[in-house]
Amino acid sequence: IAGITQAPTSQILAAGRRMTLRCTQDMRHNAMYWYRQDLGLGLRLIHYSNTAGTTGKGEVPDGYSVSRANTDDFPLTLASAVPSQTSVYFCASSEASGGIGELFFGEGSRLTVL
Amino acid sequence: SQQGEEDPQALSIQEGENATMNCSYKTSINNLQWYRQNSGRGLVHLILIRSNEREKHSGRLRVTLDTSKKSSSLLITASRAADTASYFCATASYNQAGTALIFGKGTTLSVSS
Repeated sequence: IAGITQAPTSQILAAGRRMTLRCTQDMRHNAMYWYRQDLGLGLRLIHYSNTAGTTGKGEVPDGYSVSRANTDDFPLTLASAVPSQTSVYFCASSEASGGIGELFFGEGSRLTVL
Repeated sequence: SQQGEEDPQALSIQEGENATMNCSYKTSINNLQWYRQNSGRGLVHLILIRSNEREKHSGRLRVTLDTSKKSSSLLITASRAADTASYFCATASYNQAGTALIFGKGTTLSVSS
């Protein structure tokens, strides 16, 4: 069982370029999340989706967009990357939405914007 | 702003000792969760304690919750070198679009043999 799969594992990107981080889950979970992790700042929620077809903004949504066309996929897009978006990005899912159940995390995507 | 804040930021102990990490939060919660992250890996769920529970155990882990003080603690007993990791607390936070888990900055635990 794969759980949560993120791609790419690592990417170096020139500023101004568009980038989509992919996230797929095979657990049929309703809710999915994107977090970024930066040294000294912990994990911060970017966007989330409580169910297919709906999305919501987290703590730091600016510069990012998401879509949830189906249950399994939750891509995160940086329309025009900036150096401050250099971070490790984690996708997660949970069976229930609203923070009432445990989250399952992917292994992360390390993004460097130059 | 972040809902949960862990204390201390870093903790170094010897194998066999107990490790205690604390988490304070700001608003009412449905539950509080603790996660572990090994270096370079994703987070793994450890334990969930509901707002009407005061203590919960899982193996060598003991979690307490004091809703009157808006705080929780995670105790790891008889620590091992393999317990070296970062530990995060998380609580549900409400915003205009709904509710999602918000994490603290974490406690980095180092257990030396």
